[in-house]
Amino acid sequence: DIQMTQSPSSLSASVGDRVTITCRASQRIANYLNWYQQKPGQAPNLLVYAASSLQSGVPSRFSGSGSGTHFTLTISSLQPEDFGDYFCQQSYGTPYTFGQGTKLESK
Amino acid sequence: QVQLQESGPGLVKPSGTLSLTCAVSGTSIRSNNWWSWVRQPPGKGLEWIGEIHHSGSTNYSPSLKSRLTISLDKSNNQFSLKLNSVTAADTAQYYCARELSPSGYNFFDYWGQGALVTVSS
Repeated sequence: DIQMTQSPSSLSASVGDRVTITCRASQRIANYLNWYQQKPGQAPNLLVYAASSLQSGVPSRFSGSGSGTHFTLTISSLQPEDFGDYFCQQSYGTPYTFGQGTKLESK
Repeated sequence: QVQLQESGPGLVKPSGTLSLTCAVSGTSIRSNNWWSWVRQPPGKGLEWIGEIHHSGSTNYSPSLKSRLTISLDKSNNQFSLKLNSVTAADTAQYYCARELSPSGYNFFDYWGQGALVTVSS
């Protein structure tokens, strides 16, 4: 299985901050990498697919980059509704695997 | 608008069978997509369980494969999950999701709201 490792596991930030979350794959996965946001009591919500393509309806302050084994999700200016959990997921091959998650909290 | 809705027992006894159904609306399950199950133990991360294609082809997580069956019910536009010989480790929120794959890049674009299944006697 491809192991996905996110860092940091938790992050405290303030509204307006620029935030970056990193995801590393245990083997090269080209750009087969997706990012999801999950809020308490809700299902995950797709933000970015194919490493850098923004899902329809997702604010442009979110962006993804990377290829191979190293990927990042950036929020350019944090908004109050952005607090929650973030997960990366590889779709290079089954079994699909997720990172362990990053909890983004208010400072 | 595409919607998915999980249903099934919320409590299953150890060694029993966990059964869930995902009702799909707003799109046909016969469309050229894969349909997946993902679970999340309380307070933990996401684990992909397996998927089924409209053709009936399946892919399962190796760690669950020996206990798992995912099937399609095209007449009712739904798909199902059966996991047998369950233990407390199978206690989780279970999500169904549509897997879209434009240009070969697979991702989960629509999810159900989730169903909490507890394994306990």
